[in-house]
Amino acid sequence: GAGVSQTPSNKVTEKGKYVELRCDPISGHTALYWYRQSLGQGPEFLIYFQGTGAADDSGLPNDRFFAVRPEGSVSTLKIQRTERGDSAVYLCASSRTPRGTGELFFGEGSRLTVL
Amino acid sequence: AQTVTQSQPEMSVQEAETVTLSCTYDTSESDYYLFWYKQPPSRQMILVIRQEAYKQQNATENRFSVNFQKAAKSFSLKISDSQLGDAAMYFCAVDSNYQLIWGAGTKLIIKP
Repeated sequence: GAGVSQTPSNKVTEKGKYVELRCDPISGHTALYWYRQSLGQGPEFLIYFQGTGAADDSGLPNDRFFAVRPEGSVSTLKIQRTERGDSAVYLCASSRTPRGTGELFFGEGSRLTVL
Repeated sequence: AQTVTQSQPEMSVQEAETVTLSCTYDTSESDYYLFWYKQPPSRQMILVIRQEAYKQQNATENRFSVNFQKAAKSFSLKISDSQLGDAAMYFCAVDSNYQLIWGAGTKLIIKP
């Protein structure tokens, strides 16, 4: 696609439910990142994929969070047993190259609201 | 640990004037990259300008330029000839081992 696409744009769920957030990166971009942005704050790193593998998942807050990228393109962020504190905008970004050598292209994010 | 500090929660500037947004950071790495991103209400982060730490020359992109002071770990953004379309949240970030470490952002208001 022309840009990074994230779905859904908005998701409202109840505490304890399971949610999936999808990211479709720019074609040919091997690096993919997930960030979480809480209200009034800068983004917070969650996980980085290089190809199909998670090269760095040190930002995932706990074992309720998991992300996959099985074919090296689309990625899904999965959150189990959601809590109210999980409410945030989840941003996905992709890049042609890893690290700061390449520009990160961001999607418009998925706003998650946990009631 | 790497940290990024943006001390100005909000700034306002008259259209066509110049404004400077401040950013300081802390990193133990010798080779790193610094970024300014813009986030309009659409939520999509857009790269404004990038600086490689080993380059002494300050980066410039049209109306946007930086003042990079490596010893002071300062990386300010100057916007010249401000336009209404520049209104947004501006985030400073430092690249650290595949992660971007972000500041809390500065809301830029453009007065017509």
